[in-house]
Formats: sequence, C-alpha cells, structure tokens
Amino acid sequence: EVHLVESGGGLVKPGGSLRLSCAASGFAFSNAWMSWVRQAPGKGLEWVGRIKSETDGGTTDYAVPVKGRFTISRDDSKNTVYLQMNSLKTEDTAVYYCTTFGKIPWGQGTLVTVSP
Amino acid sequence: DIQMTQSPSSLSASVGDRVTITCRASQSISTYLNWYQQKPGKAPKLLIYAASSLQSEVPSTFSGSGSGTDFTLTISSLQPEDFATYYCQQSYGPPLTFGQGTKVEIK
Repeated sequence: EVHLVESGGGLVKPGGSLRLSCAASGFAFSNAWMSWVRQAPGKGLEWVGRIKSETDGGTTDYAVPVKGRFTISRDDSKNTVYLQMNSLKTEDTAVYYCTTFGKIPWGQGTLVTVSP
Repeated sequence: DIQMTQSPSSLSASVGDRVTITCRASQSISTYLNWYQQKPGKAPKLLIYAASSLQSEVPSTFSGSGSGTDFTLTISSLQPEDFATYYCQQSYGPPLTFGQGTKVEIK
C-alpha cells in the first residue's frame, strides 16, 4: 500500500531546532521529487521546499521564508525525506506535510509548535 | 514568483448545485495546475492534475479546465461530502505556489 508518514513534530522554543521525517512506502521513492508543505492554524497551504531525485541531481529549492534556516535531505536507502528546521520562529508553527505533488496520497502531517 | 489567485474565497451552495471555482496565475503555467480538496483536520486530497485530468477514484462530478493563466474547477452536482476547502496549486516551477483557497459551505 502507498504511504507517506510524517513524524518528528513537537513543541520547541523560538530559536530552537527540530528534524522532521517522512517515511515512504509502496512506490519508487528514489525516483520521486519530494516536497514539504505546511499549514499554519486556520490558514492555507504553503510550500516549504523540495528535493529532486538523485538521478535528477538531488538539488533543493526553498520558499523565501525558510531559506537559510531549513534544509531538506533524503536517504533513498531508507525511503525517507527529512526537513531540518533551525532558528525556528513562532510563525513556523504549522502542520507539516510531505508530498510528491503527484498521485501519492499525502500523509497525515506532523504538528510543529514554536512557542516561548 | 508565480502568484495564484482563486475566486471566490468562499461560497454558499445547496446540494445539487453546480459550483465553479476559478484560479488565475500571474504568468503562463501551461497546464501545470493541480486542484486539491481539504476537509477540516485532514490532509489535502488530489482531485485534478495537469489542469484537467481526474485523479483515480474521484467522482466524475468534478472536472477541471484551462491552460495558460486561467483555470476552472467545476463540481457539476454538489454532494454533501463535497463541502470542503479547495486549493489550486501550480507545479510549473519553484516556488510551487497555492491559491488562497475557496471554502464551499452549505446554504
């Protein structure tokens, strides 16, 4: 069965760090370009960034609000994509989803709360 | 950056109504346009990809059209389970931007 499962969310203080994971199963993960999308409470969807497949260069792109603070990486041997979040701000509070933006259903998301 | 503008931001409709939501891109994105449905507390669900292709297991009451800068999501006969928020999203190039959402409510 096709799955994306996010984990690693939690409560962190401003300036802190957190690493999110997204475990994939049931499809050719190594060929997939993976994105992270977030949704602040009561707000719309916001793209965070993406990583291309290794065969397509493995390069990353980021949204302006997170560039320089967040890093996306992948481990194809573990079918997992990561989101390392540093220098967290209160405005980073959101549910974070990983997605291929394709036909793979999104995961349930993981909640990150940044609060003093 | 490509801006995606959806309209309306919300609408009230009755079961059986035909509903149309529009999405306009700030520059041409060919047909690199997806539509998502989101219900409260749930992840977004892909409805339409490449502007007009229906995702598998999505009812045929949903359809998408458009290319370039102007796109439309149509629900031909609104069902009770269709009350949700709908988002367009361009996959033409980074940043991969979303529209602000259209909330479809019960009249």
